[in-house]
Amino acid sequence: SQTIHQWPATLVQPVGSPLSLECTVEGTSNPNLYWYRQAAGRGLQLLFYSVGIGQISSEVPQNLSASRPQDRQFILSSKKLLLSDSGFYLCAWNPGTVGNTIYFGEGSWLTVV
Amino acid sequence: AQTVTQSQPEMSVQEAETVTLSCTYDTSENNYYLFWYKQPPSRQMILVIRQEAYKQQNATENRFSVNFQKAAKSFSLKISDSQLGDTAMYFCAFSSGIQGAQKLVFGQGTRLTINP
Repeated sequence: SQTIHQWPATLVQPVGSPLSLECTVEGTSNPNLYWYRQAAGRGLQLLFYSVGIGQISSEVPQNLSASRPQDRQFILSSKKLLLSDSGFYLCAWNPGTVGNTIYFGEGSWLTVV
Repeated sequence: AQTVTQSQPEMSVQEAETVTLSCTYDTSENNYYLFWYKQPPSRQMILVIRQEAYKQQNATENRFSVNFQKAAKSFSLKISDSQLGDTAMYFCAFSSGIQGAQKLVFGQGTRLTINP
């Protein structure tokens, strides 16, 4: 069966510091990969998605970037964090066919101080 | 652009009761998918149920069922015989394809509390 892992689970970072959140999917090949953010008390917002290695699409202009160095690895990064980057970040995947359910990782809590 | 609206920020019912969560959406597309996700205190998003827009039959999963009204763009979730473990945030989501991927648009959520 397929599983998705995301880490770290929580982190507290100072303003201006870099960020790296990592996500891997097991048990499948060529998945679609996604990064979502959830601000406090709100729904999820799609940040990036990828349909293949090196293929990244951004949904919202921001201080973040994403990379997909391997088929089942998706990384969310920032060179300099802002206070507004605080939130709950969720990695997700689904098979590469439109209509398939999207499955989420456990999430990462980011607090920028 | 697609939008999803959940008009009930919070709901509370007694254990074993039936509860219905409302969701409406706006789209000009004809082929799309609708989902209900549950987010318990652990914060992980868990799929509850999904509905394909081309299917007229309402989806059911054990105690969970939907009332899909395509013309009215309504997609409500009914939880029967509610249990304490059903306490969570519930998000309605709309999905359509984007360049081979799939974009989920979420509502703001309904916080459901099941009381003993």
